[in-house]
Amino acid sequence: QVTLKESGPVLVKPTETLTLTCTVSGFSLSNTRMGVSWIRQPPGKALEWLAHILSNDEKSYSTSLKSRLTISKDTSKSQVVLTMTNMDPADTATYYCARILSYCSSSSCYYYFDYWGQGTLVTVSS
Amino acid sequence: DIQMTQSPSSLSASVGDRVTITCRTSQSSSNYLNWYQQKPGKAPKLLIYAASSLQSGVPSRFSGSGSGTDFTLTISSLQPEDFATYYCQQSYRTPDTFGQGTKLEIK
Repeated sequence: QVTLKESGPVLVKPTETLTLTCTVSGFSLSNTRMGVSWIRQPPGKALEWLAHILSNDEKSYSTSLKSRLTISKDTSKSQVVLTMTNMDPADTATYYCARILSYCSSSSCYYYFDYWGQGTLVTVSS
Repeated sequence: DIQMTQSPSSLSASVGDRVTITCRTSQSSSNYLNWYQQKPGKAPKLLIYAASSLQSGVPSRFSGSGSGTDFTLTISSLQPEDFATYYCQQSYRTPDTFGQGTKLEIK
């Protein structure tokens, strides 16, 4: 059974650094067909992709947030960690981690988010 | 970045209706387009991947089509549990991007 669970602070102050951990089970972070993304959703607003890390440790970041984000993984602990620096009230959101699954047909390889964590609401306020 | 535009932003429909939601990408995304359903207070759920492939366990009343820049999600006969917000997402080029969502409400 595949599960992902986000953990971290529920409240951070402006200018502080947020550290979120995604603990996965039911699959390995070393599986070449899989990776993990972080996605957030401000209250009442749309989903926003933040970052991903793949099995080969390849990382990618949101263009607008790249300078503030760092993603890493500890395969032995089945954990993916996202840090976001210089937090602002506009960063108040539910933060999700999601499994990336890669599917290859005869001609192309696709990927999508097939399992999601329940999300964790992070509020930025002094 | 590839920009995503969904239409309509909201939609009122009745049980049994056929509904179509459109997603347009700012540049070709080939068929690297996925659809998700989100209910209030819940994480999104994958419905369709690679533009037209139905995720395992998703009812066959959901279907996807399109390629290039224009994609559609169709629900052939709305059921009460389908009232939710739907998002498209392109995975053709990083960074990944999502549409702004389409809220499907009961008429």
